[in-house]
Amino acid sequence: RKEVEQDPGPFNVPEGATVAFNCTYSNSASQSFFWYRQDCRKEPKLLMSVYSSGNEDGRFTAQLNRASQYISLLIRDSKLSDSATYLCVVIQPSGGSYIPTFGRGTSLIVHP
Amino acid sequence: EPEVTQTPSHQVTQMGQEVILRCVPISNHLYFYWYRQILGQKVEFLVSFYNNEISEKSEIFDDQFSVERPDGSNFTLKIRSTKLEDSAMYFCASSELRPGYGDTQYFGPGTRLTVL
Repeated sequence: RKEVEQDPGPFNVPEGATVAFNCTYSNSASQSFFWYRQDCRKEPKLLMSVYSSGNEDGRFTAQLNRASQYISLLIRDSKLSDSATYLCVVIQPSGGSYIPTFGRGTSLIVHP
Repeated sequence: EPEVTQTPSHQVTQMGQEVILRCVPISNHLYFYWYRQILGQKVEFLVSFYNNEISEKSEIFDDQFSVERPDGSNFTLKIRSTKLEDSAMYFCASSELRPGYGDTQYFGPGTRLTVL
């Protein structure tokens, strides 16, 4: 199975900053893409799906670049509550089906 | 808002013992999954389940593991003879659509398994 790579960070930013994360994937036949956030010792929670046209949800913007095989997440006006690990999830083909592959996550620390 | 539930929240067992982890997926979801996350490592796919059978499994999901949907609501993961390296957080998830077709998976809070 091909891998999903993320910079583990941590990204240490002040409140109000803009921060961007990238995630690269190596299987060009990957089908769907998501960003999840995970707080310490908690379950992953869906942040947003990622579409080729790009999508925005409040302060969060996600982009997919199929040609270069990466997805990105931009967080504007960072809040203390944004501190978490951000997980990239790629749905990759496997046999006749698709399975989710997680990146290791990028840690974000937002400080006052 | 509907949610995935898991029991127990923490299970401690002796090496070689059998454990059963339980999950109740969201009621109208058709696809169910188990993942594990060893402390400090990434979330790893174990198995997906649809229409009462396994649809996909990873190399981690060997003969020591099995899944079952014993009734209309529960989805279980059994580890037959636990090893020390099975210590991890086990997450159950469910989705309405099949993987690769715009699905969104919703995760339960996890069961922390500690094998002594």
